Amino acid sequence: DTEVTQTPKHLVMGMTNKKSLKCEQHMGHRAMYWYKQKAKKPPELMFVYSYEKLSINESVPSRFSPECPNSSLLNLHLHALQPEDSALYLCASSPIWPTFSNQPQHFGDGTRLSIL
Amino acid sequence: DAKTTQPPSMDCAEGRAANLPCNHSTISGNEYVYWYRQIHSQGPQYIIHGLKNNETNEMASLIITEDRKSSTLILPHATLRDTAVYYCIVKTGNQFYFGTGTSLTVIP
Repeated sequence: DTEVTQTPKHLVMGMTNKKSLKCEQHMGHRAMYWYKQKAKKPPELMFVYSYEKLSINESVPSRFSPECPNSSLLNLHLHALQPEDSALYLCASSPIWPTFSNQPQHFGDGTRLSIL
Repeated sequence: DAKTTQPPSMDCAEGRAANLPCNHSTISGNEYVYWYRQIHSQGPQYIIHGLKNNETNEMASLIITEDRKSSTLILPHATLRDTAVYYCIVKTGNQFYFGTGTSLTVIP
């Protein structure tokens, strides 16, 4: 059982649609992350939130818009995506660096996104 | 940005120990080494981590060389359910950068 919950598990959308991915954790972690994983590739970091503030954006296109409304929730808003954006989107959380710098990240099982 | 290199694939007989190597020659003195595994269609699962001492938990053992430039994850008695992609990661600040991982196949 994962302590990071992602919804939906699967999402199919057209290129003109607007949709959102949701991630929730109740471990009191103050760092949260979005990763993108293409088939047979390792996860790639997209965004890092620390204390509900965006701290890292790994040059992600603006059609991906993250939001952290509170310390337990992380959203990823999607708009005008391209077929190459089809991937598994993973959320993770961890205690905040540097105070708990050695603690591992906890991952959800992801949302599998398909763009038609 | 990946700081680790791993063999792309390995096989292991069921019931035998699986030894998965990782090179991290550019690791800094305060950076930890983490191991995760990912079974198809699931998120990465944390296994173990360490700084410089060897570590053991209920899942695995982690052996880190004295110069910290490499490490080995040991699954002492591999089962078919251990078939997965195993990632060795060096954490930089708050960020994990995944290497390409090792696809471990446990053979009956």
